[in-house]
Amino acid sequence: DTAVSQTPKYLVTQMGNDKSIKCEQNLGHDTMYWYKQDSKKFLKIMFSYNNKELIINETVPNRFSPKSPDKAHLNLHINSLELGDSAVYFCASSQAPGSSYEQYFGPGTRLTVT
Amino acid sequence: AQSVTQLDSQVPVFEEAPVELRCNYSSSVSVYLFWYVQYPNQGLQLLLKYLSGSTLVESINGFEAEFNKSQTSFHLRKPSVHISDTAEYFCAVGGGSNYKLTFGKGTLLTVNP
Repeated sequence: DTAVSQTPKYLVTQMGNDKSIKCEQNLGHDTMYWYKQDSKKFLKIMFSYNNKELIINETVPNRFSPKSPDKAHLNLHINSLELGDSAVYFCASSQAPGSSYEQYFGPGTRLTVT
Repeated sequence: AQSVTQLDSQVPVFEEAPVELRCNYSSSVSVYLFWYVQYPNQGLQLLLKYLSGSTLVESINGFEAEFNKSQTSFHLRKPSVHISDTAEYFCAVGGGSNYKLTFGKGTLLTVNP
């Protein structure tokens, strides 16, 4: 069974389009995260939700909007896609908020904006 | 604020050789330290962590890291590497009331036959 799953795995789209990435975890965790990994492999936190409540909201463009319908799901919607949005986006989850808890990562979604 | 510096972006070694991947951190609060590994085209997975207690922590596949508070370091070592250890390794720091982890820029370990 996949612990943290993301769909789609690959996403190729044109500038200006709107797209969503979905994430689901079946670990029973309370906390979920979105990370962006750029072409140099640098990993940066974007958002985190704990029990559907936003607890981390890093400085990202307003075009990015997370949504957590329940604690097992955290989706990422991106409006008006730009070339610089091309990256691998990772979803992760942890048992609870707090940086002492191990984070479990999904396989990533490679977004290419042309 | 917290930060992590991984001093080597790439480390090539031969199979069965020892390896050390270096990590230094900066933090104004007591820290939690982690090493995550990312195999090609996969997500990250936890390799080992230091939360408190013994400063030497070990993983199930032969890696170890030592928390050195005076040198603000958490270097990762393995006495004999395998081809299968080829991956990107990320050091990360958390701590205090901070919800988030701050990751280093990663070190690509390449094990050659």
